[in-house]
Parts: sequence; structure tokens; C-alpha cells
Amino acid sequence: AQKITQTQPGMFVQEKEAVTLDCTYDTSDQSYGLFWYKQPSSGEMIFLIYQGSYDEQNATEGRYSLNFQKARKSANLVISASQLGDSAMYFCAMRESLSGAGSYQLTFGKGTKLSVIP
Amino acid sequence: KAGVTQTPRYLIKTRGQQVTLSCSPISGHRSVSWYQQTPGQGLQFLFEYFSETQRNKGNFPGRFSGRQFSNSRSEMNVSTLELGDSALYLCASSLLRAVGTEAFFGQGTRLTVV
Repeated sequence: AQKITQTQPGMFVQEKEAVTLDCTYDTSDQSYGLFWYKQPSSGEMIFLIYQGSYDEQNATEGRYSLNFQKARKSANLVISASQLGDSAMYFCAMRESLSGAGSYQLTFGKGTKLSVIP
Repeated sequence: KAGVTQTPRYLIKTRGQQVTLSCSPISGHRSVSWYQQTPGQGLQFLFEYFSETQRNKGNFPGRFSGRQFSNSRSEMNVSTLELGDSALYLCASSLLRAVGTEAFFGQGTRLTVV
């Protein structure tokens, strides 16, 4: 089973509108971290926002917020007031503690390509 | 503060050759991880180094290897290149090895095998 599932291969949003990118995850760990990254066509992965499994409040960073629903194992990214520069690939990722196995790798979803329309 | 630097940015190699990619992490970061990104497989974990020791390795053949130096700079090597090794190779550095630690990525090395 996939650990990170992003069901939207592509999304379109009108400039200045809000958009939600979906992410569900699968883990048996109690302690884990969820991350969202933006990848423009240049290739660099840009960190956007982080949510810890024990965080009770949803994370926010400027125009980005994370809608964390732990029981449903979902961590959706909400981008408010979309801008043309938001057009990029967006990846949801998880870092698990793997019960002390000593592995801290990031596991990524397949990504969602967001296109902002003027 | 300088970010993660990967060199070279682009490479074209012939099947059967070997290649070495370099990654300089953010100053003070001791954890360096490598990822391969292809259109078909997405982002896949290659290996992680911390304090010059490989801590974890992904499901890749032995042709893929790496190392980390005392200044935390890391190199990865791919021997006997295959067409399927064409990919964007991303390096990420982290301050700590912990669940909540942010990973900072470089711009990647785009490898084309012909």
C-alpha cells in the first residue's frame, strides 16, 4: 500500500482564489511528521509547511495552511489567494520514526501539478 | 546562510560509464539524504548519511553508492550507468535526525544517460 496518496494529478485554480490539495497517509507510528514541498520547473524542492502528529493546531505559514485530520489520516494543503507564481508541482511527504528503526527518510506522494490561471 | 549546493547541475553520460555527484549541505547540518526523481517512479529515497556513516539505504542496486566527508559534504556514485538511471538527483540536508526535522533541498543534478 502507498504510504502517501495524492489523488489529484493536476489542478487548476483562478488567480486570487483558494485551492486545496489533497493528501492521505498511512502509518502505524504514533510519532510522525507531515511536510508539503513545492517544486517549480527549476527542480528545487521548496519547503512550505510542517505538521507534527502530536500537534493539535493546524499549521499555518503565510498563505499556506494544513488541514490536519488525524483520525482520517489526511493532511490537505490549502493555498489562499493563489498567485501566478504558485504554479508548480506540490508534494506531500511523511517522515516516520519507524519505531526506533533509525530511519528518518522522507516518503513522498506522486505530486499534484497546480496551474494558476490569470 | 548558503543553501544546499549540488554540482554539477546537468550531466550527460554514456551507458556503461560511471558518474559522481556532489552535495554540500547547509553549514552545520550533519544529515544528508539523496533522492532520485523520475517521471515514472516519482521521488525515491536512495540513502542517508549522518556523521560520515550511512544510516539507511533505499531499494537500489549496489551500483549506487555514496559517502560523506568530515565536513558533511556528500558524494554519490553510480557505476555502470543504465538508460533507466536518467533522473533528477536531489540532495537534502537536515540539522538533526528526527521526525520533525525540516529537510532543505538543493536544485538537483539532472543526469541524462544516452
